[in-house]
Amino acid sequence: GENVEQHPSTLSVQEGDSAVIKCTYSDSASNYFPWYKQELGKRPQLIIDIRSNVGEKKDQRIAVTLNKTAKHFSLHITETQPEDSAVYFCAAKANTGFQKLVFGTGTRLLVSP
Amino acid sequence: DTAVSQTPKYLVTQMGNDKSIKCEQNLGHDTMYWYKQDSKKFLKIMFSYNNKELIINETVPNRFSPKSPDKAHLNLHINSLELGDSAVYFCASSQEAAGGHEQYFGPGTRLTVT
Repeated sequence: GENVEQHPSTLSVQEGDSAVIKCTYSDSASNYFPWYKQELGKRPQLIIDIRSNVGEKKDQRIAVTLNKTAKHFSLHITETQPEDSAVYFCAAKANTGFQKLVFGTGTRLLVSP
Repeated sequence: DTAVSQTPKYLVTQMGNDKSIKCEQNLGHDTMYWYKQDSKKFLKIMFSYNNKELIINETVPNRFSPKSPDKAHLNLHINSLELGDSAVYFCASSQEAAGGHEQYFGPGTRLTVT
């Protein structure tokens, strides 16, 4: 089955810096890669996703890159703000039949003013 | 007009009791899920239903029994609660038939077993 590894587990940056979170996956059939943000005490919410026919996707200050050959994908947040502080989860899913979404172990991002 | 709702939000109970958590979505989605998030924040799928049919059943003790009376509702019943069941349980839904995969999560139910 699919296995998703995520690094780092914690990341501290200064406001205005960039933050990068990396994930690797094991199942070459996976073709959908979302990123979820979970603020303290709240529900996970999708912030960006990428499908395997695209190498990069950007939405304002966040971007995701995908390298299918190496089986890894990354989240990039530029010009970080204190409100970006949260736990971020990557996930991977195959598109064949009803496959489960497998989550990484999460990265706690702390942005200091 | 909450998209995915769960009740109760908090549940404190003693070991050995039986409890239920209810979930409803008003997004018209065809697939619903139960996730468990432990104290280390790991998000692990437990069950998934598509149009009331069980399609994913992870290695979960059979004390946990999901029920989907219709495609807008997915409930979770837990028998003989144990200390290790303490966690936050999230319900989620998605529209898989149209190729969409975004999962919308409910607010979570924090279960504490004492």
